[in-house]
Amino acid sequence: DIQMTQSPSSLSASVGDRVTITCRASPGIAYFLAWFQQRPGEVPKLLIFAASTLQSGVPSRFSGSGSGTNFTLTISSLQPEDIATYYCQNYNSPPFTFGPGTRVD
Amino acid sequence: QVQLVESGGGVVQPGGSLRLSCVASGLTFSDFAFHWVRQAPGKGLEWVAIISPDGSNLFYGDFVKGRFIISRDNSKNTMYLQMSDVTSEDTGVYYCTSYKHIRSRRLDYWGQGALVTVSS
Repeated sequence: DIQMTQSPSSLSASVGDRVTITCRASPGIAYFLAWFQQRPGEVPKLLIFAASTLQSGVPSRFSGSGSGTNFTLTISSLQPEDIATYYCQNYNSPPFTFGPGTRVD
Repeated sequence: QVQLVESGGGVVQPGGSLRLSCVASGLTFSDFAFHWVRQAPGKGLEWVAIISPDGSNLFYGDFVKGRFIISRDNSKNTMYLQMSDVTSEDTGVYYCTSYKHIRSRRLDYWGQGALVTVSS
C-alpha cells in the first residue's frame, strides 16, 4: 500500500507569511496527488489536484508542486481564512490514503 | 447543483451493524465512482472504500478487514455502506464523496457527513 506522510504536523504563522507544507508518498504516485483544506466544523474542500492544478475558485495564493514521492503545498501570503488543517491524498491507486494532516494556526 | 446527502448514522453498540446511505442528485450517478471517507472525533481523514460506476470494482481500506460492504443502486442514485462488527474505533463522521476528471478540470463533491457513534 502507498504510505503518505506530511510535515510539519502543525505550524504557527502570521498573516502575510509564506507557508509551506510537505507531503511524501511511498512508493511514488506520479502526479496523482490532491490537497484538501478543512476548516473546523466544515467539510473538506479540494484545493489542488494533479499535484499542481488549482481547483476552480481557489485563490491563487495557493500552489502545489512535485511529482513522484515529494510534494509541496504553498500558501504565498497567509490570510485569516486559511486557518485550517491541510491534507494530501494519493489517488493513484487504492487505497486512496490521506496524509495525517498539517494544522495551520 | 450537485448534492450528496448521507443518512443512516446514529448510535450502535459494539459488535452491531449499521447501514449508511448516500443519495446523489444533480449529476449522472452512473458516470461516477463513489467513495466513503471517515473522520474520528478530533482526528484526520481516513479513506474507507470506493465503488466503480457500474459497481463491479470495489476496494477497501486495510482496517475494514471484511467488516464493511460498499454497494450502489444506480436506479436509485444511491450508494451504501453496510457496516458490521463495529468497534469504538469506527466512531466518526462518514462522508460520501465523488470526483471525476474531465479534461483539465476535476469535479469534486462531498456530502455533509453522517455521524456514527459506537457505544454501549
